[in-house]
Amino acid sequence: GAGVSQSPSNKVTEKGKDVELRCDPISGHTALYWYRQSLGQGLEFLIYFQGNSAPDKSGLPSDRFSAERTGGSVSTLTIQRTQQEDSAVYLCASSLEPRHEQYFGPGTRLTVT
Amino acid sequence: AQSVTQLDSQVPVFEEAPVELRCNYSSSVSVYLFWYVQYPNQGLQLLLKYLSGSTLVKGINGFEAEFNKSQTSFHLRKPSVHISDTAEYFCAVSDQSRNDMRFGAGTRLTVKP
Repeated sequence: GAGVSQSPSNKVTEKGKDVELRCDPISGHTALYWYRQSLGQGLEFLIYFQGNSAPDKSGLPSDRFSAERTGGSVSTLTIQRTQQEDSAVYLCASSLEPRHEQYFGPGTRLTVT
Repeated sequence: AQSVTQLDSQVPVFEEAPVELRCNYSSSVSVYLFWYVQYPNQGLQLLLKYLSGSTLVKGINGFEAEFNKSQTSFHLRKPSVHISDTAEYFCAVSDQSRNDMRFGAGTRLTVKP
């Protein structure tokens, strides 16, 4: 079946612009996660959605970052007034149950110039 | 607090040699443990997982890992590596105290001919 998809695969933007990154999770997966992976670094947790519950935003690095999940499916991560330090690969993952194995998308590589 | 430590950032090894990638975690509650592999320019793929039961877990591509509760470790092993095993390997842990999965910083395995 279809896996997790993300778009765009690559995004180059100018400092100060806003960007939107999209994630389509596996159908039926109630849990959705966003992570950030900087060059040579591990994964940094950003935000977690579970069903209709309020999201866990504890990993968002600043108020320039926000995310929403519509209809319990597609999610959008928005970064406002991008900075060069936002350059990274943004990974989305979904799972059937919280804390169980996560299925990852291919990521969006964001470059802020 | 929950954390994951991968003791080696880089592991070079010759083809057909055995390899062990080390992972230690800290958690005050029972855990689920995972190893993921990331090939160049790809997303993360699950290698194996420990949820409960037998402490020796077998995964894909000939990898296995052993959960050692007393040493809070979950080391990954393969008896004979191939060139195609060259990749970044991430250890991850989840438990009941958090919604997300915590990842180690990763170990870059390089298999040389």
